Amino acid sequence: EVQLVESGGALVQPGGSLRLSCAASGFTFSSHWMIWVRQAPGKGLEWVANIKQDGSEKYYVDSVKGRFTISRDNAKNSLYLQMNSLRVEDTAVYYCARVESRRALDYWGQGTLVTVSP
Amino acid sequence: DIQMTQSPSSLSASVGDRVTITCRASQSVSSYLNWYQQKPGRAPKLLIYAASNLQSGVPSRFSGSGSGTDFTLTISSLQPEDFATYYCQQSNSVPVTFGQGTKVEIK
Repeated sequence: EVQLVESGGALVQPGGSLRLSCAASGFTFSSHWMIWVRQAPGKGLEWVANIKQDGSEKYYVDSVKGRFTISRDNAKNSLYLQMNSLRVEDTAVYYCARVESRRALDYWGQGTLVTVSP
Repeated sequence: DIQMTQSPSSLSASVGDRVTITCRASQSVSSYLNWYQQKPGRAPKLLIYAASNLQSGVPSRFSGSGSGTDFTLTISSLQPEDFATYYCQQSNSVPVTFGQGTKVEIK
C-alpha cells in the first residue's frame, strides 16, 4: 500500500525556518518525481515545488524561490522541504504527493500545517 | 504561466442530478489535465488523469473529456458522497497550476 506521511509542521514566527519531511512507503520512491502542494486556510491548491527522481531537476513557484529548497533522500525514501525566511502568507497545509507517469498526482499525504504568525 | 479557470465556482445540485464542471486553460495543455476531489479536512484525491482516464477505484459515474484548452468533468448521477470541491490541474508545463475549485453543494 502506497503511503506518504508528512511531518514537521509547526507554529513559527515570520522570518523563521522549518523543515518538512515526507516519508514514503509501498512503492519504489526513486522511480517517481515528487511534489509539494500547499493550501492556505479556506483557499485552493497551490503547487510549491517538485523534484526529479534523482534530484537533478528542481522547480519552484516564484513566491518561494530563494527561500524554500526541495530535496530527497532515495536511500531513506524521504522527501524534504526546507523553508527559510517564512512569511505570514506561507501559512498553509503542506501536502507531499507522488507524480505518476502521466504527470498526475496519484497519491497524497495527509498534510502538515505550517502557521507563520508573530 | 498557464492560468486555469473553472466554472462554475460553486453549484447546488440534488442527488441523482447530472453535474458538469468546466475547466479552461489560458493556452494549450494538450491532454495533461487532471481532476481531483477534495472533502473538508482531507487531502485531494485523483479522479481523472490525462483528461479522460478514470483513476483506479473511482466510480464510473465520473468522466472527463476535452483536449487543448477546454475540458469537462461530468458526474452522471450525483451521489451523497460526491458533495465536495473539485479542482482541475494542468501538468503540461511548469509551473503546475490548479483551477480555483468548484464547490458542489446539496440543493
